[in-house]
Amino acid sequence: GQSLEQPSEVTAVEGAIVQINCTYQTSGFYGLSWYQQHDGGAPTFLSYNALDGLEETGRFSSFLSRSDSYGYLLLQELQMKDSASYFCAVRDSSNQGGKLIFGQGTELSVKP
Amino acid sequence: DSGVTQTPKHLITATGQRVTLRCSPRSGDLSVYWYQQSLDQGLQFLIQYYNGEERAKGNILERFSAQQFPDLHSELNLSSLELGDSALYFCASSRAGDTQYFGPGTRLTVL
Repeated sequence: GQSLEQPSEVTAVEGAIVQINCTYQTSGFYGLSWYQQHDGGAPTFLSYNALDGLEETGRFSSFLSRSDSYGYLLLQELQMKDSASYFCAVRDSSNQGGKLIFGQGTELSVKP
Repeated sequence: DSGVTQTPKHLITATGQRVTLRCSPRSGDLSVYWYQQSLDQGLQFLIQYYNGEERAKGNILERFSAQQFPDLHSELNLSSLELGDSALYFCASSRAGDTQYFGPGTRLTVL
């Protein structure tokens, strides 16, 4: 089966840097995605890593190590509006469907 | 705005009833996915359609069914509703299967 593990919650202060880790176990692997979800809102796509290394998009970066089945999301210059849940997700390649398997989410609280 | 629309935004109904949730994907997206998110839970994949055909199935209950129509909109039907079915139901669409764009969700409350 597939499973993803990420911390349930992280707290940081405004202006700081925070890293949210994700480890996964899948029967097949196409890539690791990250989504942000504010309370009650729709998940929104942040980043996608198919290959090893770091992808940077503004204040957010995402890293993948396929050999370690591990990735992380790095948020820099934290702002209050970054308080949200962050989900890692892998595409299940055991069929052609492209469905995403999500982790349980990490709730990030940014304090002043 | 992701370009994915869902109706209704909120739905309150009683146990034993049947409801239909509707989703319109982004223009050009052929895949539609349905997810359930219960309180403080992650997103559970229910079912995927691609260009009108069922492509993948998750832990979807037999009381639930879905379909995708020729105009690519999709409907999720939930019947014999139970209290535990209360949740946020999200629809997502994608073109290539990697990046999924989520709609605003339908909040279902079963009383």
